[in-house]
Amino acid sequence: NAGVMQNPRHLVRRRGQEARLRCSPMKGHSHVYWYRQLPEEGLKFMVYLQKENIIDESGMPKERFSAEFPKEGPSILRIQQVVRGDSAAYFCASSPQRSSGANVLTFGAGSRLTVL
Amino acid sequence: LAKTTQPISMDSYEGQEVNITCSHNNIATNDYITWYQQFPSQGPRFIIQGYKTKVTNEVASLFIPADRKSSTLSLPRVSLSDTAVYYCLVGSNTGTASKLTFGTGTRLQVTL
Repeated sequence: NAGVMQNPRHLVRRRGQEARLRCSPMKGHSHVYWYRQLPEEGLKFMVYLQKENIIDESGMPKERFSAEFPKEGPSILRIQQVVRGDSAAYFCASSPQRSSGANVLTFGAGSRLTVL
Repeated sequence: LAKTTQPISMDSYEGQEVNITCSHNNIATNDYITWYQQFPSQGPRFIIQGYKTKVTNEVASLFIPADRKSSTLSLPRVSLSDTAVYYCLVGSNTGTASKLTFGTGTRLQVTL
């Protein structure tokens, strides 16, 4: 039973290029969260998705960033025209559907983006 | 969304019990309290979740007073491998409160 799979683990891009980060949730999990973490800082919420729906994208920058979770395939976090400030670790987490309580998140190992 | 406040860092010796307290004064009725552990270069890992009173599992205990405005994560007999950042989260999966926001966390350093 594989956990949350993220790839690539490390990605290097030059300013102006595009970065695509992929996340395959745990089997049976229908919710996906993306977080960004700068060195020595906490995790910043970016976006929360269910299959084919963006539930909450209040933490995502309005420009250059987009996320999707299609019916088939992994969730994708896409960053267009990357800048040096986008360099960070991007973590994906998934959770099962629960009717009450709070979602318990299972995190992937993260994708580390370096913008040159 | 309920904001959480935790100490920035704590130090402990191996074998001691460590208690990390999190304040969440404006916790909502539906909110649960969840703690995660994060090692360097890894994603956070779920430790424990509770709503009120006390919850215990094989790793830790979580104490929540009646007013629920704070909670305390208790790690019994820590070892060097417990050196990590510990995050307290407050939230629920009710409507827009589904967003789960991490605070700055508490950096625990365990030494011999």
